[in-house]
Amino acid sequence: GESVGLHLPTLSVQEGDNSIINCAYSNSASDYFIWYKQESGKGPQFIIDIRSNMDKRQGQRVTVLLNKTVKHLSLQIAATQPGDSAVYFCAERAAGNKLTFGGGTRVLVKP
Amino acid sequence: DSGVTQTPKHLITATGQRVTLRCSPRSGDLSVYWYQQSLDQGLQFLIQYYNGEERAKGNILERFSAQQFPDLHSELNLSSLELGDSALYFCASSLTATNEKLFFGSGTQLSVL
Repeated sequence: GESVGLHLPTLSVQEGDNSIINCAYSNSASDYFIWYKQESGKGPQFIIDIRSNMDKRQGQRVTVLLNKTVKHLSLQIAATQPGDSAVYFCAERAAGNKLTFGGGTRVLVKP
Repeated sequence: DSGVTQTPKHLITATGQRVTLRCSPRSGDLSVYWYQQSLDQGLQFLIQYYNGEERAKGNILERFSAQQFPDLHSELNLSSLELGDSALYFCASSLTATNEKLFFGSGTQLSVL
């Protein structure tokens, strides 16, 4: 694979708990990062993005954290709901302005 | 609904054949991207067009080609199909050429038998 090193684990979360999905990247020149959610049978859905000049960005129930020192990106989902069950992908924009996607993390929300 | 329309949703064909996948971007978006998603390779970037011109190329095979028309819709042509070409093909669009905030269609599931 390419530089975004998101393994493909499965994260099981109790409904109502917070979820944290992690992503490691290797290209220190990447200047833009984005998270997508993909439900079964659907295309990736934009969740939130962040530029490299920021450390944190919040959306509705989601927060993205960027740690450039250790080249780590995370997506936090507050009060996880059954509708949050999906595969989550991070992607980075590096050389040539191309987006490179990680392998994805499956989130399963237990009722 | 992302606003990106892809047709057909499913395509079943035989090895050696040629198919065309179609994509209409979100209203106002000038960039169209094509991605291939398979179980073992994840989401792989194929090619990008911006306002009718090829902008960037990724892991696109020579048997594959694409174009973006004056009305901004795009087509991905896959020829001399092989079993290994079976995958989900996604089109995405964005306002600019800078690979920010791509919005994806629901994909075309291609099965080569």
